[in-house]
Amino acid sequence: ILNVEQSPQSLHVQEGDSTNFTCSFPSSNFYALHWYRWETAKSPEALFVMTLNGDEKKKGRISATLNTKEGYSYLYIKGSQPEDSATYLCAFMDSSYKLIFGSGTRLLVRP
Amino acid sequence: SQTIHQWPATLVQPVGSPLSLECTVEGTSNPNLYWYRQAAGRGLQLLFYSVGIGQISSEVPQNLSASRPQDRQFILSSKKLLLSDSGFYLCAWSGTISSGNTIYFGEGSWLTVV
Repeated sequence: ILNVEQSPQSLHVQEGDSTNFTCSFPSSNFYALHWYRWETAKSPEALFVMTLNGDEKKKGRISATLNTKEGYSYLYIKGSQPEDSATYLCAFMDSSYKLIFGSGTRLLVRP
Repeated sequence: SQTIHQWPATLVQPVGSPLSLECTVEGTSNPNLYWYRQAAGRGLQLLFYSVGIGQISSEVPQNLSASRPQDRQFILSSKKLLLSDSGFYLCAWSGTISSGNTIYFGEGSWLTVV
């Protein structure tokens, strides 16, 4: 059974704080690791797709790193804003294209 | 450009009735297709995925089934709905790594079983 775990489950921060989340995934049969921003009952919004060990990607104040050998990825948000409040999902894709999502980290940024 | 549509957007069905949710993708060929469900208070649970016509992988034993009668069409069905089938259903597709491998989601379907 593929297990994708995210921590923390939820996070409350003050506007301007920087924060980071963790995604743990199997280190075998790795194909790609995805990060999404998601508001419940809406379609998830793609942030990053990473495929290579050591990948680092950046989009504005959000960045992500990938370690496929040890099976983890970090998502960083610099200077959090209230509009960053959402659930952040990671998803592991294996070599058969099976795509399993973690349960997400729910971020609340207080003004 | 590629698009994905799923329907219906909302559905209220009695227990024991059948279900059919449809998803179609335009502007690409041989996509990987997925059905997910978000049950109340939970994340996205993978139900089925398909890497080609007639190739369906089921992830969770339940009373739902999926079919892929055409390359870009993915259908989620049930013969008899249960109360626990209520939730938000999302269809998604992906290409290959060379095409960016981003996952694209449909608009979602709200199913309430009463």
